[in-house]
Amino acid sequence: DAMVIQNPRYQVTQFGKPVTLSCSQTLNHNVMYWYQQKSSQAPKLLFHYYDKDFNNEADTPDNFQSRRPNTSFCFLDIRSPGLGDAAMYLCATSTNWGGSETQYFGPGTRLLVL
Amino acid sequence: GEDVEQSLFLSVREGDSSVINCTYTDSSSTYLYWYKQEPGAGLQLLTYIFSNMDMKQDQRLTVLLNKKDKHLSLRIADTQTGDSAIYFCAELGGSQGNLIFGKGTKLSVKP
Repeated sequence: DAMVIQNPRYQVTQFGKPVTLSCSQTLNHNVMYWYQQKSSQAPKLLFHYYDKDFNNEADTPDNFQSRRPNTSFCFLDIRSPGLGDAAMYLCATSTNWGGSETQYFGPGTRLLVL
Repeated sequence: GEDVEQSLFLSVREGDSSVINCTYTDSSSTYLYWYKQEPGAGLQLLTYIFSNMDMKQDQRLTVLLNKKDKHLSLRIADTQTGDSAIYFCAELGGSQGNLIFGKGTKLSVKP
């Protein structure tokens, strides 16, 4: 059974057109993460939520926003996608932050910007 | 700063053992992980090791940790074509509590 679900799996958007990626989890985990993974690169953490507390990485562009309306769902909003934002976006969850907490990843959404 | 380095490619023959190496810089890392990523898919946790351990074995997988040299390796015994994927090493950043990934090692298994 899928535990971390991402929709859609593939998303095509136009340059400058806002886009929202979705993640949901059935694990009831406190923490949800969004990573950006560009081709042949390591996944890079954009931000994470601990419950409702939002934590932005220092170098995450302002173009990226996130919402977590409840425990199960988390959204990634890209306000004005540029060509450089084309990447795989990975959602992950963990019970708590840090320590021995294993992160469970979804299958990712591949974003293409035309 | 925190950094994780891996070689980018490894090619082996089916049935041989594969050894994927990783070095990290954060000596305060408590946990180190190996993730597998198949083409077009997300990351799948393979195994992890706590920093006070030297070795962990899980079926065909053996993780070796040399904390003095900050060196981590993943050995896959009897490598199969289904093992072809990108393998990411990651450390749990001691100062930030987040995962720091290497760029991944692409393992190709030839019949």
